[in-house]
Amino acid sequence: GAVVSQHPSWVICKSGTSVKIECRSLDFQATTMFWYRQFPKQSLMLMATSNEGSKATYEQGVEKDKFLINHASLTLSTLTVTSAHPEDSSFYICSASTGTGSLLAGELFFGEGSRLTVL
Amino acid sequence: GESVGLHLPTLSVQEGDNSIINCAYSNSASDYFIWYKQESGKGPQFIIDIRSNMDKRQGQRVTVLLNKTVKHLSLQIAATQPGDSAVYFCAEKGYNFNKFYFGSGTKLNVKP
Repeated sequence: GAVVSQHPSWVICKSGTSVKIECRSLDFQATTMFWYRQFPKQSLMLMATSNEGSKATYEQGVEKDKFLINHASLTLSTLTVTSAHPEDSSFYICSASTGTGSLLAGELFFGEGSRLTVL
Repeated sequence: GESVGLHLPTLSVQEGDNSIINCAYSNSASDYFIWYKQESGKGPQFIIDIRSNMDKRQGQRVTVLLNKTVKHLSLQIAATQPGDSAVYFCAEKGYNFNKFYFGSGTKLNVKP
């Protein structure tokens, strides 16, 4: 099956620094990628939708200047948490879609997540 | 939106029993629903999906029921096994929004 790889799988950083998380589709081209954030014992919250070559669409309440998303190619999207603070500590999960029309679960593949801890 | 300040409800079942996990959705425009399983520290795994023109769909050991009248979705797992222990989320998508929003989730604990 299709594989989505996230890197790093975990990262610890100091408050005020920026952290970049990569999401790669290893064996397929992803027309759309999605970024989610998950706090402990809570659900996945959609942060933004990323389409290759265009600006990401952010969900209401998500700061676009805080969470920079770049989708430079059909196999790579990056999420940069700028000037990270302890409250940004979370599990960040990306998903990639092979579909070009109405999204189906069978066309959506999730990465294994990246755990960010900000000290 | 984000689930804030809520801890996951837990369902404990004995190995071999059937499990029923419920999910309520609020968006009447949602027309496609998915159940995902998430093990600790991992990404979600697809279990089964259902379109709004159906009220029941069966897979291997799993059945999803959809009641659009009350906006309710359930996942039934037959003969639950220890390997089924995980957190289960429903997700929804609508004809006017081409992305998945996740529900609050339920932690399933299977006792051997």
